[in-house]
Amino acid sequence: EIVLTQSPATLSLSPGERATLSCRASQSVSSYIVWYQQKPGQPPRLLIYDTSTRATGIPDKFSGSGSGTDFTLTISSLEPEDFAVYYCQQRNNRPITFGQGTRVEIK
Amino acid sequence: QVQLVQSGSELKKPGASVKVSCKASGYTFTGYAVNWVRQAPGQGLEWMGWINTNTGKPTYAPGFTGRFVFSLDTSVSTAHLQISSLKAEDTAMYYCARSYDIFDYWGQGTLVTVSS
Repeated sequence: EIVLTQSPATLSLSPGERATLSCRASQSVSSYIVWYQQKPGQPPRLLIYDTSTRATGIPDKFSGSGSGTDFTLTISSLEPEDFAVYYCQQRNNRPITFGQGTRVEIK
Repeated sequence: QVQLVQSGSELKKPGASVKVSCKASGYTFTGYAVNWVRQAPGQGLEWMGWINTNTGKPTYAPGFTGRFVFSLDTSVSTAHLQISSLKAEDTAMYYCARSYDIFDYWGQGTLVTVSS
C-alpha cells in the first residue's frame, strides 16, 4: 500500500498570501496524484488530477506540480473561501490511498 | 446536473446492520463506477472500494472485507453499502463518489453512528 504523507499538518496564513502544500508518496506514483478540498460539513471537492490538470470550474489560483514521489499544491493568493482541509490521493496503485490532509487556517 | 443523493443519518446499536443508499441522477449510471469512502469523526478519508456499475462486481479495499457489501439497483440508478455486525469504530461519515479513481462528484455523505 502506498502511504501519502502531507505536510505541514496545519498551515496558518493570511488572506492574500501564497499557500504551498506538500504530498510525499512512499513510492513512485508517476503523475497520478489528485487533490481535493474539503470544508466543514461538506464532501470533498475535486480540485486537480494527474498532478496539474484543474477540474472543471476550478480557478487558476490553484496549481499542482511534481512527479514520482513529491508533489505540491499551490494556492497563489488565499481568499476567505480557500481556508479548508486539502487532501492528496494517489491512483497509480490499488488500494487507492489518501494523505492525512493539510488544514489551511486563517492566521 | 450530476447529483449523488445519499440516504439519511442512521443510529444503530452494536451488532446491528445498516444499509446506505446513493441515488445517481444527471448522467448514465452505468457509465461510471461508484466508490465508497469513509471518514471517521475528525479524521481523514479512507477508500473502501468500488463497484462496477456495468457488471455489478465489487472490489473491496483491505480492511473492508467480510462485513461490508456493495450492491446496485440499476433500475433506479442506486448504489448501496451494507455494513453488518456494526461496531463502535464504524461510526463515521460514509460517502459515495463517482468514477473509477478520480472522484469528480460526491454524495453529501451519510452519518452512521453506532452506540448502545
